[in-house]
Amino acid sequence: AQSVTQLGSHVSVSEGALVLLRCNYSSSVPPYLFWYVQYPNQGLQLLLKYTSAATLVKGINGFEAEFKKSETSFHLTKPSAHMSDAAEYFCAVTKGSSNTGKLIFGQGTTLQVKP
Amino acid sequence: SQTIHQWPATLVQPVGSPLSLECTVEGTSNPNLYWYRQAAGRGLQLLFYSVGIGQISSEVPQNLSASRPQDRQFILSSKKLLLSDSGFYLCAWSMGQRNSPLHFGNGTRLTVT
Repeated sequence: AQSVTQLGSHVSVSEGALVLLRCNYSSSVPPYLFWYVQYPNQGLQLLLKYTSAATLVKGINGFEAEFKKSETSFHLTKPSAHMSDAAEYFCAVTKGSSNTGKLIFGQGTTLQVKP
Repeated sequence: SQTIHQWPATLVQPVGSPLSLECTVEGTSNPNLYWYRQAAGRGLQLLFYSVGIGQISSEVPQNLSASRPQDRQFILSSKKLLLSDSGFYLCAWSMGQRNSPLHFGNGTRLTVT
């Protein structure tokens, strides 16, 4: 079975500071992992995905994430936070081994960026 | 490029009234389609998914149903809404492979009064 745990439901950083959002996963099969961002009253937008090609994955808006199998982690980082990064972020893992395309999502982390 | 349309954006309905939310995808063929619900503080819950016309799988027992009358059309329905059906409903599509991301619509905010 697969599961995702996002550590910290709320993270607050100052503008220009490092952003680190934590995600740990559990999977009985090789995982495919995703990060999404959601702005208020909008759908989820794909930030980046890990599909086993490279462990360090670069995404949109300056975000990147590193897949660490030994730590079962896929943490999201950005060197310098912008006010526009304030949003909710979701980590997700592919559910199961079949090709249904279903994802299991973490509970989300709300990122606050202070001026 | 592929686009996904979902409507209406907001909806206020009385308890016991019917519901129909529609989602359409453009620019791709034979996508997998999904309905998720997002309740405040409870993350995203997969309600239904479909791998083809007329093929619907329900993930959780509930007051809702889904239909896929055309390849790129996915409809979420209810005959009688409950207060607990309030939430943010998201439609999504993917190519259905394990490494395929989901692509989401902009959602419908449903308030049942």
